[in-house]
Amino acid sequence: EAQVTQNPRYLITVTGKKLTVTCSQNMNHEYMSWYRQDPGLGLRQIYYSMNVEVTDKGDVPEGYKVSRKEKRNFPLILESPSPNQTSLYFCASSVRTTFQEQYFGPGTRLTVT
Amino acid sequence: TQLLEQSPQFLSIQEGENLTVYCNSSSVFSSLQWYRQEPGEGPVLLVTVVTGGEVKKLKRLTFQFGDARKDSSLHITAAQPGDTGLYLCAGVGNTGNQFYFGTGTSLTVIP
Repeated sequence: EAQVTQNPRYLITVTGKKLTVTCSQNMNHEYMSWYRQDPGLGLRQIYYSMNVEVTDKGDVPEGYKVSRKEKRNFPLILESPSPNQTSLYFCASSVRTTFQEQYFGPGTRLTVT
Repeated sequence: TQLLEQSPQFLSIQEGENLTVYCNSSSVFSSLQWYRQEPGEGPVLLVTVVTGGEVKKLKRLTFQFGDARKDSSLHITAAQPGDTGLYLCAGVGNTGNQFYFGTGTSLTVIP
């Protein structure tokens, strides 16, 4: 089954404790992206990757890191999480065509206390 | 940041009614997408419109891209309870790599 998976689905952590949210897709997509979703603000793009070893900042990259060492994986790293990073995070992937149909993962709800 | 404003923010209607959701921006986009998101899940793409003035129909849903490629609308005819969800528009930047989402319209269709 074609899908984007994220782990963990739920995470509660404390300020300053480094964490990684994994994202994996089995569709051989070149493009992958991370978003955060907050009430009243919609989805905002954090980082995206056009292919292996190619990443770029989205609208809200501060406090986040990413890496793309393999085509299928695109982990999101929070080196020193803060409470304002409490949010619902989505990973997405797509084939790079005119229509850019993004397939989203199920989301990771992160709470930073 | 390229802002996309959606209206209305919330919509509650009776089954069988028609509705229109608007997505407006001062920025020009290479294309415009509409997604539907259900609670506990990621957004699912409904349609992509690419050409200014383009109209696409998906069963009871009609999507239109403005002539200037700055705005879009989603019209649902004879809404059904299964249409309930959060509708999101997303503008695609000129490079095709950046996506700018609207704030969403939460639709509830009452049986």
